[in-house]
Amino acid sequence: DTEVTQTPKHLVMGMTNKKSLKCEQHMGHRAMYWYKQKAKKPPELMFVYSYEKLSINESVPSRFSPECPNSSLLNLHLHALQPEDSALYLCASSRGINGNQPQHFGDGTRLSIL
Amino acid sequence: AQTVTQSQPEMSVQEAETVTLSCTYDTSESDYYLFWYKQPPSRQMILVIRQEAYKQQNATENRFSVNFQKAAKSFSLKISDSQLGDAAMYFCAYRLPLRNQGGKLIFGQGTELSVKP
Repeated sequence: DTEVTQTPKHLVMGMTNKKSLKCEQHMGHRAMYWYKQKAKKPPELMFVYSYEKLSINESVPSRFSPECPNSSLLNLHLHALQPEDSALYLCASSRGINGNQPQHFGDGTRLSIL
Repeated sequence: AQTVTQSQPEMSVQEAETVTLSCTYDTSESDYYLFWYKQPPSRQMILVIRQEAYKQQNATENRFSVNFQKAAKSFSLKISDSQLGDAAMYFCAYRLPLRNQGGKLIFGQGTELSVKP
C-alpha cells in the first residue's frame, strides 16, 4: 500500500476541459513534488513545493497550475491541455528537500487527452 | 550539468540467479546521494536502496546491494536470488544536497528487468 494517495487513478479529458489531480500524504512530509512520465521513460520533474511554497517550477506550461493548500495536500489544475500532455502524472513527498531524504511516490494518475 | 546513464535498456535473469544493473553518473560535486528505484507495471515508484557519497561502505537491503565506485562515478545494483516479483523498470537516480537546486532528483533512462521462471 502506498502512503502517498493520488486521485483519480485514470482521467480522460478533452482539450477544452478543466480538471484537477489530487495528491495526499499523512507522513508529516514538508516537501511535495509533481512529475510527468511518458511510457518507458524516466519521470520528469515539474514542480517542487517546500513548506507549502513553490520552490521549483521546471518551466512548465501555464496550462498546468499547481496548488498546495496545506502540508498534506497537493493539487495540479489542468486547463486547455494538448494531446502530448497525455502521460502518467506522479506525485511524491519527502521529509524535506535535503538530498538524503528519499522521495516516496504515489501510484500516479494516468491522463489521456482526447 | 549532472547526468545519469543506464547503458542497459533491457536485462533478463533466471529466477534464483543474480543480476547486476549498471549506472554511471557525471558530476563535479563531492557531496551527493544516489538511489535505485523500482517501477513495476503497477506504476508505483518504489525506493530500493540509497547510498550517501561520503560513505565508503556499500549499501545493502536484503537481496539488494550496490557497488559504489566514487572515483569511477559508478553505482551498480546487484539483485541476488532473483524473484518473479523483481520484474520491473529500474531507475538509477542522483540527488544533490539542499544547497544545490533544492534536492532535485535526476533519473537515468531506466533498465527493464525481466525474470524468467
